[in-house]
Amino acid sequence: AQSVTQLGSHVSVSEGALVLLRCNYSSSVPPYLFWYVQYPNQGLQLLLKYTSAATLVKGINGFEAEFKKSETSFHLTKPSAHMSDAAEYFCASLTDKLIFGTGTRLQVFP
Amino acid sequence: DAGVTQSPTHLIKTRGQQVTLRCSPKSGHDTVSWYQQALGQGPQFIFQYYEEEERQRGNFPDRFSGHQFPNYSSELNVNALLLGDSALYLCASRDAGTQEIYTQYFGPGTRLTVL
Repeated sequence: AQSVTQLGSHVSVSEGALVLLRCNYSSSVPPYLFWYVQYPNQGLQLLLKYTSAATLVKGINGFEAEFKKSETSFHLTKPSAHMSDAAEYFCASLTDKLIFGTGTRLQVFP
Repeated sequence: DAGVTQSPTHLIKTRGQQVTLRCSPKSGHDTVSWYQQALGQGPQFIFQYYEEEERQRGNFPDRFSGHQFPNYSSELNVNALLLGDSALYLCASRDAGTQEIYTQYFGPGTRLTVL
């Protein structure tokens, strides 16, 4: 069965620090993988996607993610956090349907 | 270029009532999916419509039904509302005929509260 696990429901970093949000997937076939961001009282905005091309994917707002098949991971990183990055982040896996993780709330402190 | 739009923004209903939520897909998109996002959870797939037919369905009861119109817009209907149906309902669209087939774009959602 297809599933997505996001380790850490809350992550706190200082402004300027590295952001690392973890995502592991489980799927019987190679999935397509996505990261979405959700700001309070808003819908989901696509950050980046992996669709079996380059394993290192660059997205909007300075975020990037690396697909590692051996580790079944698709962790999201950003070298330097900004206050505006504070939001809920969702990892999602697509085979026949889009399955989401439970989300990670990112807090950024000044 | 208009993105995905949903109406209404907020809705309050009582148990046992019926509700209809509406979605207009992003311009050029022909496939619409609906998701339920309970508080503190990730979105859960309800169903997907393409060419006015339900093509896939998640693990939701028959109280949840939908429709897609010839202009690709869609409705989500929920009958016999339960308290547990309180959630943010998200609509997403994609274009099944392009290289973007795998990418879904989400609307702002409708917040449904069942009292």
